[in-house]
This record gives sequence, structure tokens and C-alpha cells, in this order.
Amino acid sequence: RKEVEQDPGPFNVPEGATVAFNCTYSNSASQSFFWYRQDCRKEPKLLMSVYSSGNEDGRFTAQLNRASQYISLLIRDSKLSDSATYLCVVTSGTYKYIFGTGTRLKVLA
Amino acid sequence: GAVVSQHPSWVICKSGTSVKIECRSLDFQATTMFWYRQFPKQSLMLMATSNEGSKATYEQGVEKDKFLINHASLTLSTLTVTSAHPEDSSFYICSSRLAGGPGELFFGEGSRLTVL
Repeated sequence: RKEVEQDPGPFNVPEGATVAFNCTYSNSASQSFFWYRQDCRKEPKLLMSVYSSGNEDGRFTAQLNRASQYISLLIRDSKLSDSATYLCVVTSGTYKYIFGTGTRLKVLA
Repeated sequence: GAVVSQHPSWVICKSGTSVKIECRSLDFQATTMFWYRQFPKQSLMLMATSNEGSKATYEQGVEKDKFLINHASLTLSTLTVTSAHPEDSSFYICSSRLAGGPGELFFGEGSRLTVL
């Protein structure tokens, strides 16, 4: 089993739709969780950190479920500019960053 | 946020030559630098972790004699791909974090290597 798993997609959604991604992790001792966005042929950029209580940033909401060992990302009112690959990143107890394979999102006009 | 600058962005070289990629932290001291490789439509794979003033720690399956990493100062880490072959063609990205991690990773812009 991979340490961090994501559905690769692609998720094709119309503009204005709400879309959600999940990411599961295998190490129950994982400490920090992040969602990064990566555009084609570019470096990843932090979208948001994920806190235990859940957090929201505009149209984006991230949640952590430690019992089931997954994090989620919800995007409301999708924009064309949201089209990208969303990477789930989890740190292990040794401060190692583990990347998921990413979920591709395509927002269609 | 902290800024990491990577150079060059693109490099094309002949098989058998060596290529050096530089990664600089511009506004913070990067005691640790992570080097990743990403093949098309795949995730980032950690190659090695470099710590300032000490030898890098390589991930399993990464040849340390082929991918030379130097982290001689708190603001500069370099990756040299020696005797490059076409299968080394990839996107190489460095990243670092502020001291006291495991906080956010700050990435360089990436270097796309094409070996002919």
C-alpha cells in the first residue's frame, strides 16, 4: 500500500461546480498535512495547510480525519483557473514529506 | 513566504556530460534542502536530503555517485547529474523549509533536463 494515495482523476467539472478530493495516508503517526497545487511543468505551490479542526480559505475547504486517516479538499464555485493537479502532502514522524501522485482537475467552460 | 530560486530552468545536454543545478534560498537560511525528480504524469519522488555542512542522505535506489549533492552554505545547494543519459531526462525540483519544521515546503522553480 502506498503511503499516500490519491485518485489521479482527471475530474472534469463545469464552471461553478463543487468538487471534492480525498487523500488517504497509511502512517497513523503522520503529523502535518498540506494541499499543494501544481500547474503543468511548474513547481508545486502551497494551496493550504490542513489543520485538525478543518480550515477554509475562500472557496477552498480542507479537512482532516485522523480516525480514518484521510484529508479532503473541497473547492466551491470552480473557476477555469482552478484547473491543475492537486497534490496531497503528508509528513511522517521523521519529518519526511510524502507526496501523493496528485489529482488532476479540469474545469470546463 | 520564503523564496527559493533554482537555476537553470531548462537545460539540454549531450549524453555523457554533467549538468549542475543550483538552488538558493534568498531570504532565509536553508539548513535542509530536499531534491526531487518528477517524470511526466507522475508525482514528485524524493531523491535526497541535503544538510548544510554534511553529506546528503540519499533515498533507496538513487545513485549517490551519479547525483552529486553539495550543500556548502546555508543558502546554496547544488545537484550535479554526472554522465547524464537520456533516462535522466526529467524535471528536478529543490525545496526547503524554515527551521523548526515540518512546516510548509518552499519550492524552487524546477529545472527541466533533457539529455540527447
